[in-house]
Amino acid sequence: GAVVSQHPSWVICKSGTSVKIECRSLDFQATTMFWYRQFPKQSLMLMATSNEGSKATYEQGVEKDKFLINHASLTLSTLTVTSAHPEDSSFYICSADDFVSEKLFFGSGTQLSVL
Amino acid sequence: GQQLNQSPQSMFIQEGEDVSMNCTSSSIFNTWLWYKQEPGEGPVLLIALYKAGELTSNGRLTAQFGITRKDSFLNISASIPSDVGIYFCAGQLRNAGNMLTFGGGTRLMVKP
Repeated sequence: GAVVSQHPSWVICKSGTSVKIECRSLDFQATTMFWYRQFPKQSLMLMATSNEGSKATYEQGVEKDKFLINHASLTLSTLTVTSAHPEDSSFYICSADDFVSEKLFFGSGTQLSVL
Repeated sequence: GQQLNQSPQSMFIQEGEDVSMNCTSSSIFNTWLWYKQEPGEGPVLLIALYKAGELTSNGRLTAQFGITRKDSFLNISASIPSDVGIYFCAGQLRNAGNMLTFGGGTRLMVKP
């Protein structure tokens, strides 16, 4: 079945540094990818919708300058957490929309810990 | 925005028991999806429902798309320890770019 690779699985960084998370669709093309954030024991909250070749659409309350999203190709979207702070520590998950099967597939998530 | 109410929030059951959880929405969806998430992993799709009234099974799992298109339930029969995890419902609207709206999740714990 379709696979979405998300990397890294976990990252620990110092406050003030930037962290890049990659989301790749391995065997299908994804014109649309979604980025979610999940706090412990809570549901997934959509952060932004990433469309290939255009600017991402951010949900209300999500700072676009802090969470930079790039979707430069049909198989890759990246989320960069800029100037990370401890409150950015969370589990980040991407999903990719396979327009052929019309199904969404999820990455395995990235646990970010900012010290 | 749309809200999905998922209940119960958590369940602690004995192995072999049947489990039922449901989601309700204030507005309609085209598609209802049920996912399972294990610690440190992304959600994995269990069942997808595309038509109002649809009843679909996947092994010991059965889910239904409510006739009003505003609700769905998931049943797990004869639970086993590996059913432990968090189950999420999600609603999807085709004219919203396939964006998912998630329920709050049901944490299932199974006692052997």
